[in-house]
Amino acid sequence: GQNIDQPTEMTATEGAIVQINCTYQTSGFNGLFWYQQHAGEAPTFLSYNVLDGLEEKGRFSSFLSRSKGYSYLLLKELQMKDSASYLCAVRPTDSWGKLQFGAGTQVVVTP
Amino acid sequence: GAVVSQHPSWVICKSGTSVKIECRSLDFQATTMFWYRQFPKQSLMLMATSNEGSKATYEQGVEKDKFLINHASLTLSTLTVTSAHPEDSSFYICSAQAGVPTLLNEQFFGPGTRLTVL
Repeated sequence: GQNIDQPTEMTATEGAIVQINCTYQTSGFNGLFWYQQHAGEAPTFLSYNVLDGLEEKGRFSSFLSRSKGYSYLLLKELQMKDSASYLCAVRPTDSWGKLQFGAGTQVVVTP
Repeated sequence: GAVVSQHPSWVICKSGTSVKIECRSLDFQATTMFWYRQFPKQSLMLMATSNEGSKATYEQGVEKDKFLINHASLTLSTLTVTSAHPEDSSFYICSAQAGVPTLLNEQFFGPGTRLTVL
């Protein structure tokens, strides 16, 4: 079956760096997505990885290792508004378009 | 970026009534739309995949007679929760995928609908 694991919660101070890990076991692989979701709102797209390596986009970076079934999302220069849930989602090859979501990591940024 | 809207944003209904939720892609054509349900502090659970002009594909454990999905046009999909009960209270989110195939083929999410069944 599909299995996507990420930590439940992480706490960090404003200005710091936080790394959210995601490991997955899926039936094939056709891309990994990271989404940010504030409470009561829909997820917003942060990043997409389909090849190994690091993708950098401003304060956010995402890394993928397909051989290890592993990804991380790196949040730099944390701001209070970054307090949210971060969802790791994998698109298996046998389900065109469908995403399998992890349970989400709640990031709490403290002053 | 692409915009997806949902209506209503929240709804309260009595047990036994039916509720319809609309999902629209505002500035692109979506051949595929997805419906998710999210309970508090849990992740998104895919309920069904909806392709324009064909029957929806439901995930295991989702009752197709209870959650009716219609995708009549390239910009509109509807989810009807029939004979709603309190356990159906949840946050329902749709997403839309553009028909033009790209490597990213990103899903664009609507703002969600909060359903409360009394």
